[in-house]
Amino acid sequence: EAGVTQFPSHSVIEKGQTVTLRCDPISGHDNLYWYRRVMGKEIKFLLHFVKESKQDESGMPNNRFLAERTGGTYSTLKVQPAELEDSGVYFCASSHRDAATNEKLFFGSGTQLSVL
Amino acid sequence: GNSVTQMEGPVTLSEEAFLTINCTYTATGYPSLFWYVQYPGEGLQLLLKATKADDKGSNKGFEATYRKETTSFHLEKGSVQVSDSAVYFCALSDHGTDKLIFGTGTRLQVFP
Repeated sequence: EAGVTQFPSHSVIEKGQTVTLRCDPISGHDNLYWYRRVMGKEIKFLLHFVKESKQDESGMPNNRFLAERTGGTYSTLKVQPAELEDSGVYFCASSHRDAATNEKLFFGSGTQLSVL
Repeated sequence: GNSVTQMEGPVTLSEEAFLTINCTYTATGYPSLFWYVQYPGEGLQLLLKATKADDKGSNKGFEATYRKETTSFHLEKGSVQVSDSAVYFCALSDHGTDKLIFGTGTRLQVFP
């Protein structure tokens, strides 16, 4: 069974440009999460999808970030325009709808975003 | 609000040394506690967890005990191996939510 896949693994862009990160969850997983780790700091929750619906987007830092999950399969996270402070590692995770206590939460290997 | 504090790294040890990575938390209610590990080039993996006070989570020789009186969940291993080199994250989640709150991560480097 394929794991959670994230693309690209690395992205280097200039301030003001647009970047789109993609996450392919494990097939059949209704829950999809985005997290972010800014250099040297804690991993922070960004948002949670259940299928195509945003269940909780309280962690999204501002309106430069747009997450979508059309059709309830893969998800994209777009940053437009990117700022220097957006640099970090963006993690995606997925789980079955009935997963409890995060035991069956699977993470991707992350996208390292560098904004210059 | 809820938060997790863990010791800064890197932690550098020789093979077969004893490991402790400290983790304390602040939370309302009774959270579940976790240790995640990220090996080089890989995603986060759940290492162990505990869901209530005095529970001990264990896996791959690692263990951590949920201490409500000291609000701690320290990670320990009696004899580390080079293959344990990774970044370790302490985390909590509130009952009834899916959100994880992570600490800053601690890099462990084990040398032969």
